[in-house]
Amino acid sequence: EVQVVESGGGLVKTGESLRLSCAASGFTFRDAWMTWVRQAPGKGLEWVGRVKRKTDGGTTDYAAPVKGRFTISRDDSKNTLYLQMNGLKTEDTAVYYCAICRPTGGWFDPWGQGTLVTVSS
Amino acid sequence: SYELTQPPSVSVSPGQTARITCSGDALAKQYAYWYQQKPGQAPVLVMYKDSERPSGIPARFSGSNSGTTVTLTISGVQADDEADYYCQSADSSDTYVVFGGGTKLTVL
Repeated sequence: EVQVVESGGGLVKTGESLRLSCAASGFTFRDAWMTWVRQAPGKGLEWVGRVKRKTDGGTTDYAAPVKGRFTISRDDSKNTLYLQMNGLKTEDTAVYYCAICRPTGGWFDPWGQGTLVTVSS
Repeated sequence: SYELTQPPSVSVSPGQTARITCSGDALAKQYAYWYQQKPGQAPVLVMYKDSERPSGIPARFSGSNSGTTVTLTISGVQADDEADYYCQSADSSDTYVVFGGGTKLTVL
């Protein structure tokens, strides 16, 4: 079964850092583009960014609100995706989902169950 | 910046047809994708490449594209279809992903 499972969420204060992980199984992780999407409480979906597979350069793209503060990385030996979040703001409070980009870019499927990040002042 | 516009809400009675639209200039050149999200759950893909239905998604779900507007159509709506629906696409350079604001489908 293709599956992604997020972890690492929690309560932090403004300006602090947090790293989220996304463990992948059931597919060839190194061949996949991966993405992070977030959803603030009661709000819609917001794309955070993505990382391409190494054979496509392994490059990253980010949404404007997080560019320069968040870093997406991957460890293909561990089948794990990461989201390093620095300089957190209250507006970063959200459930963070990871998902597979299909086939490379395009649509997101499947999604994990999400992990909640709460940033308090 | 690139935007996708959806109606905030759509209401239909059981058995009727629900149509949820998503508008944006780049849709003339980029595919649209649709997700269903029920309360407390992760989004689930219900349509890709404008009108392709993933395996496991009922045939009552269909999609279409008419230039800068894409439409998710749910025929014979059931109570279980009540959810938020989001469209997704990309900018013309395929660099940035964007979601519509979401449409809450209410089954009366």
